[in-house]
Amino acid sequence: AQSVTQLDSHVSVSEGTPVLLRCNYSSSYSPSLFWYVQHPNKGLQLLLKYTSAATLVKGINGFEAEFKKSETSFHLTKPSAHMSDAAEYFCVVIERNSNYQLIWGAGTKLIIKP
Amino acid sequence: DSGVTQTPKHLITATGQRVTLRCSPRSGDLSVYWYQQSLDQGLQFLIQYYNGEERAKGNILERFSAQQFPDLHSELNLSSLELGDSALYFCASSVQGSSGNTIYFGEGSWLTVV
Repeated sequence: AQSVTQLDSHVSVSEGTPVLLRCNYSSSYSPSLFWYVQHPNKGLQLLLKYTSAATLVKGINGFEAEFKKSETSFHLTKPSAHMSDAAEYFCVVIERNSNYQLIWGAGTKLIIKP
Repeated sequence: DSGVTQTPKHLITATGQRVTLRCSPRSGDLSVYWYQQSLDQGLQFLIQYYNGEERAKGNILERFSAQQFPDLHSELNLSSLELGDSALYFCASSVQGSSGNTIYFGEGSWLTVV
């Protein structure tokens, strides 16, 4: 069965320091993986996606994620946090043979300290 | 702006009432998804339509129903409302319903049941 685990419910970093948001998945088949961001009182916005091309995926706002099949991970990183990055981040999996349902992680709240 | 339009943005109604939330997908997108986000349940997939047909069903209550019209807009009907139905309801759309397609989200409709 498919599942997504976001390993941290909250991550707090100082502005200007690196960000790491962790996501592990379980999937029987080749998955498509996404990261979405939700700013307070806003809708969900796609940050980046992996669909079996390059394993290192670059997204918007300086974020990137690396698909590691051996570790079943798709961690989201950014070299230098900005105050505007404070939001909730969701890791999402769609399994290729599924009925196109998205499997969502529980979300990670990113807090940026000045 | 994702191109997905949801109305109304905010809605306050009483218990026992019925409301309809409307969604216009991005131009050219055939698939529409509905999600509910509440404080205690997180993001829950409700239902997906593809080109007018129901494609997948998630945790949608029997009091809730949805449809997708020939012009591809969709409506989510919530009836016999309870306090616990207070949540942010997201609509999303994608070109098809397949696993690699990016899914674009609207800004959501805030429903408060009093």
